[in-house]
Amino acid sequence: DTGVSQDPRHKITKRGQNVTFRCDPISEHNRLYWYRQTLGQGPEFLTYFQNEAQLEKSRLLSDRFSAERPKGSFSTLEIQRTEQGDSAMYLCASSLKTYEQYFGPGTRLTVT
Amino acid sequence: LAKTTQPISMDSYEGQEVNITCSHNNIATNDYITWYQQFPSQGPRFIIQGYKTKVTNEVASLFIPADRKSSTLSLPRVSLSDTAVYYCLVGDLTNNNAGNMLTFGGGTRLMVKP
Repeated sequence: DTGVSQDPRHKITKRGQNVTFRCDPISEHNRLYWYRQTLGQGPEFLTYFQNEAQLEKSRLLSDRFSAERPKGSFSTLEIQRTEQGDSAMYLCASSLKTYEQYFGPGTRLTVT
Repeated sequence: LAKTTQPISMDSYEGQEVNITCSHNNIATNDYITWYQQFPSQGPRFIIQGYKTKVTNEVASLFIPADRKSSTLSLPRVSLSDTAVYYCLVGDLTNNNAGNMLTFGGGTRLMVKP
């Protein structure tokens, strides 16, 4: 399978703990995006990388969130001091063309 | 990015043609119209994109009137597996110099019944 993969698929954590998610994009895609989706809503943009450079970050993104893409390949999204409001599906997407993004299956985070 | 308005939900039956209309009254000259499909517990999937008139691929057709203030996604002969949420997005997404994240609205929940 050469699609976008995400790990883990599910994560349950206690409030205040740190969590890290990983995304492996399609190998030839230089663009990588992170989105967050809550139940009944469309995905919400979090941040964007072109190769290893983080070029955009949502103004809604708390300082507790940080993302990296070392070497322009896989990416990690870390949430520090998790809160119950962070519970959501975290989606990663990659692309060559901006409008045709390929999404991974997502990581479902539950903060208890 | 231009704001879009779609019906919250639609019902259909297997074998019927489904048309989902999206309103985007303040679409800009450089904006394109893109549709994504999302199944439960999966990420969205690109369906089709267009600028004006009609675009057709193996999955769907996209109809865009001359004023481009709306667009209609047409799914021919739907099956149960077409039950999903469909998102309409509008923006200058071909500008490769910008990040241009996708701005999703609430989407249209299509339920296909036997």
